[in-house]
Amino acid sequence: KNEVEQSPQNLTAQEGEFITINCSYSVGISALHWLQQHPGGGIVSLFMLSSGKKKHGRLIATINIQEKHSSLHITASHPRDSAVYICAVKGIIQGAQKLVFGQGTRLTINP
Amino acid sequence: SAVISQKPSRDICQRGTSLTIQCQVDSQVTMMFWYRQQPGQSLTLIATANQGSEATYESGFVIDKFPISRPNLTFSTLTVSNMSPEDSSIYLCSVLQRMNTEAFFGQGTRLTVV
Repeated sequence: KNEVEQSPQNLTAQEGEFITINCSYSVGISALHWLQQHPGGGIVSLFMLSSGKKKHGRLIATINIQEKHSSLHITASHPRDSAVYICAVKGIIQGAQKLVFGQGTRLTINP
Repeated sequence: SAVISQKPSRDICQRGTSLTIQCQVDSQVTMMFWYRQQPGQSLTLIATANQGSEATYESGFVIDKFPISRPNLTFSTLTVSNMSPEDSSIYLCSVLQRMNTEAFFGQGTRLTVV
């Protein structure tokens, strides 16, 4: 079992729909990152969470430390949101500087 | 925030040859990380590059295949040596900043070995 599991692996939705991507992890963490990867391969960091909730524009990220679970929400989705979304955790037991990545969720928003 | 310039952005290489990927950061960072992302897979850490010392390689990756240089606090290179088609992947460099809480990534190098 992977230390970081994302669901769903693939998600297709219509423009305007509310999107939720989930991330569960099995290790103690000091931080959780949500990343966005566009088809060219470059990765952009969306959020870093250690507790609670963060919001940036149409994106909302939440984390429940007790349940070892995080969600990324996109409101009023748009075709430009189409990308792979990756959850990554920084553990407190394993190598302090390393990130462990989920397998990614491929999101496609149709106009 | 850190800005990382990675190049080349893509290349098509013949098997048996080597490719060197460069990452330049606009600020000084202690550690730089090199990742591989095979088609359809998530990112896998190859090694951590420290300035002034040997890189630390993860299990399954060796220095002879992936030599790394880290001549100063803003620059690093990863070489993919004696390439085979199995090396076709996206290679990314990354740094952590702000007390290792924010992650920044290069644009990625999409390598195809034929």
